[in-house]
Amino acid sequence: DGGITQSPKYLFRKEGQNVTLSCEQNLNHDAMYWYRQDPGQGLRLIYYSQIVNDFQKGDIAEGYSVSREKKESFPLTVTSAQKNPTAFYLCASNTGGTTDTQYFGPGTRLTVL
Amino acid sequence: QQQVKQSPQSLIVQKGGISIINCAYENTAFDYFPWYQQFPGKGPALLIAIRPDVSEKKEGRFTISFNKSAKQFSLHIMDSQPGDSATYFCAAIGVRGSYQLTFGKGTKLSVIP
Repeated sequence: DGGITQSPKYLFRKEGQNVTLSCEQNLNHDAMYWYRQDPGQGLRLIYYSQIVNDFQKGDIAEGYSVSREKKESFPLTVTSAQKNPTAFYLCASNTGGTTDTQYFGPGTRLTVL
Repeated sequence: QQQVKQSPQSLIVQKGGISIINCAYENTAFDYFPWYQQFPGKGPALLIAIRPDVSEKKEGRFTISFNKSAKQFSLHIMDSQPGDSATYFCAAIGVRGSYQLTFGKGTKLSVIP
């Protein structure tokens, strides 16, 4: 059963805490992406990685960090420096070509209490 | 700076009617334009995509019309069904060196019986 999994589905965090969102894919895709979705704002790119051990900032990287130690995994850490972290976070992957379809995971809804 | 403008924000269509969603872009480096469909609580899924060397692409009830000179493209859903009720996002990407999908803000479509 191929696809992208994200966990947890719902996450609650107290202010001042770091939290890590998991993204795993078994599609053998080289590229992985993290997006943030807010109501009425569309999707905005946080970070992306075209290859293991390499990643680039997207449009809204401040307050976030990522790692890419394995091809199938691309965890996102939301740090306490992120001023407004409550959002729906989506992970995606593709083979790496710019016109290759990006396949999205089911998302993680993060709420800061 | 919003590079892809999408309208309307919300749309209510009678079952069997035509749903039309419009997008406009400014960056002439964009040359691949996908549309995504997203159901509540789920990740977006690719619906249909077009390159600017064609003016129209049809897949089943879904058609993209593309006007390169006006830098506009639109999604038409023919014979709209209640199951089409979802949020639709247009997006754009420039294949020359950019791996970032730029999304419109989305259109929430409701198809009423």
